[in-house]
Amino acid sequence: GESVGLHLPTLSVQEGDNSIINCAYSNSASDYFIWYKQESGKGPQFIIDIRSNMDKRQGQRVTVLLNKTVKHLSLQIAATQPGDSAVYFCAENIPPSGSARQLTFGSGTQLTVLP
Amino acid sequence: KAGVTQTPRYLIKTRGQQVTLSCSPISGHRSVSWYQQTPGQGLQFLFEYFSETQRNKGNFPGRFSGRQFSNSRSEMNVSTLELGDSALYLCASSFGGGTNEKLFFGSGTQLSVL
Repeated sequence: GESVGLHLPTLSVQEGDNSIINCAYSNSASDYFIWYKQESGKGPQFIIDIRSNMDKRQGQRVTVLLNKTVKHLSLQIAATQPGDSAVYFCAENIPPSGSARQLTFGSGTQLTVLP
Repeated sequence: KAGVTQTPRYLIKTRGQQVTLSCSPISGHRSVSWYQQTPGQGLQFLFEYFSETQRNKGNFPGRFSGRQFSNSRSEMNVSTLELGDSALYLCASSFGGGTNEKLFFGSGTQLSVL
């Protein structure tokens, strides 16, 4: 039968506007979070990370906000450009029993920048 | 500094065959992780290696295996391929594999099983 793919949330923004991409993470014990950008035919590209002891972190044109109370993460992109069009993933690190790490990824959001 | 390099970029196999994928981490990185990406399941963790030892394994059958060499390069092997193994296989590296380290991905190997 027909396979059912993940339903990717989509976000369309006008070039120059700000974008906000949201992510609900799964585990209250997660201690580290990363946002990745994936363009077609490429692997995920690191954007910005944040540790659980922080609420906000800023990079170049990007800001990540962490709300541990509601297990919510957001990525804000200022002055969105056509090159920002991609799928954006949040990933959480759930502390394992040992030192090994394992990232759990969200399903992703497709960002389209309109001219 | 060169990024994570994965070879081959594309691969076509038939059911029942086996396949070996290769990953060279960023120079100085000792931890290598493998992920499977499909439209249906998204990105899923396969396993992680550090200093030639598998430290963590995801929920995949034993047909999926890997290894890491003394120079930190890693290979993963899938035996008795099934149609559902068609996916983008991504390798990622980090310096020591610590829980708060950035993970850098390669461009992946696109495997098609016919």
